[in-house]
Amino acid sequence: AQSVTQPDIHITVSEGASLELRCNYSYGATPYLFWYVQSPGQGLQLLLKYFSGDTLVQGIKGFEAEFKRSQSSFNLRKPSVHWSDAAEYFCAVGGPGQKVTFGTGTKLQVIP
Amino acid sequence: GAVVSQHPSWVICKSGTSVKIECRSLDFQATTMFWYRQFPKQSLMLMATSNEGSKATYEQGVEKDKFLINHASLTLSTLTVTSAHPEDSSFYICSAKEAGVDNEQFFGPGTRLTVL
Repeated sequence: AQSVTQPDIHITVSEGASLELRCNYSYGATPYLFWYVQSPGQGLQLLLKYFSGDTLVQGIKGFEAEFKRSQSSFNLRKPSVHWSDAAEYFCAVGGPGQKVTFGTGTKLQVIP
Repeated sequence: GAVVSQHPSWVICKSGTSVKIECRSLDFQATTMFWYRQFPKQSLMLMATSNEGSKATYEQGVEKDKFLINHASLTLSTLTVTSAHPEDSSFYICSAKEAGVDNEQFFGPGTRLTVL
């Protein structure tokens, strides 16, 4: 069965610092991978996705993620965090015609 | 971009009553819609997948008679929580998938249900 692990429940970074959110997945074939962001009381917004091709994926708001098949990882990065990035981030995995499974989320706190 | 709306955004109801939540794709046709439930500080749990014009497919452990899903058109799906109880209080989020676009889901803003 497919699954996603986000090992960090809560991360605190200073504004302007770099960010990396970890995501490990389990999937039987080449996965489709996603990162979503959720602000309090809101739905989810897609930051970026990987279906195939270049393993370094650029997304919105200055985020990027790298698919590493050997490590079954799809970590999300941002070189300089802004206070408005404070939110909850979900990694998700799916496949062609398959349902999408979400990780448990990482809550990001940004301090001045 | 593709927009999905939900109505209402927040509903409070008495125990034993039924509540209907609407999910609409505003600028695209959604052949498939998904309903998720999110408990506080937890991830999204898929409840069911609905395809336009056919019965919804429920995930294991989800009571289909409790959570009625209807997807009567390419732009509208409804979730009815029947005989709601306090334990049904949660954040319900729908998503919709465009025909022909594999596995990209667009999420609604969610509906917070509080059952007294």
